[in-house]
Amino acid sequence: EAGVTQFPSHSVIEKGQTVTLRCDPISGHDNLYWYRRVMGKEIKFLLHFVKESKQDESGMPNNRFLAERTGGTYSTLKVQPAELEDSGVYFCASSRTNTEAFFGQGTRLTVV
Amino acid sequence: DQQVKQNSPSLSVQEGRISILNCDYTNSMFDYFLWYKKYPAEGPTFLISISSIKDKNEDGRFTVFLNKSAKHLSLHIVPSQPGDSAVYFCAASHSGTYKYIFGTGTRLKVLA
Repeated sequence: EAGVTQFPSHSVIEKGQTVTLRCDPISGHDNLYWYRRVMGKEIKFLLHFVKESKQDESGMPNNRFLAERTGGTYSTLKVQPAELEDSGVYFCASSRTNTEAFFGQGTRLTVV
Repeated sequence: DQQVKQNSPSLSVQEGRISILNCDYTNSMFDYFLWYKKYPAEGPTFLISISSIKDKNEDGRFTVFLNKSAKHLSLHIVPSQPGDSAVYFCAASHSGTYKYIFGTGTRLKVLA
């Protein structure tokens, strides 16, 4: 069974540009999550999809962040326009109902 | 305010000895706790979990203990192996939400 995959693994963009991160969850997992780790601190929750619906987006920092999960399969997280403080590692995770979440390898975003 | 705390940023243990990683939480609504292990440039990998109806869960060399009255959990690794060297994250959630609240992690180094 393939794990959670994320693209790209690294992205370096200039302040003000747009970046789109992609996550492919484990097949059959209805739950998909985005998390972020900034500067070696704790891993912080951003949002949670159940299939294509946003169940909880309480962790989204501001309206420069937009997450979508069309068709309930893969998900994208767009940052537009990117700011310096958006730098960090963005993790995607997926799970079945009432089970632990499996994480992808992360996308390291650097905004310069 | 951080709801899940790992007060030891690092820990060194001799191979073959016991590693004890600690985690404290403040939210009494948390009823599900997990430990994840993370190697550099990889995503967190699920290790072991415990529900609040239990006070101990064991899986091979790994045992998690939960003390609800003290709002404290710990992960014991016995015997420790060099391959256990990684950053360990404690996470918590409560019924009705799939959102995990993570601690800042403890870097474990097992010395050969």
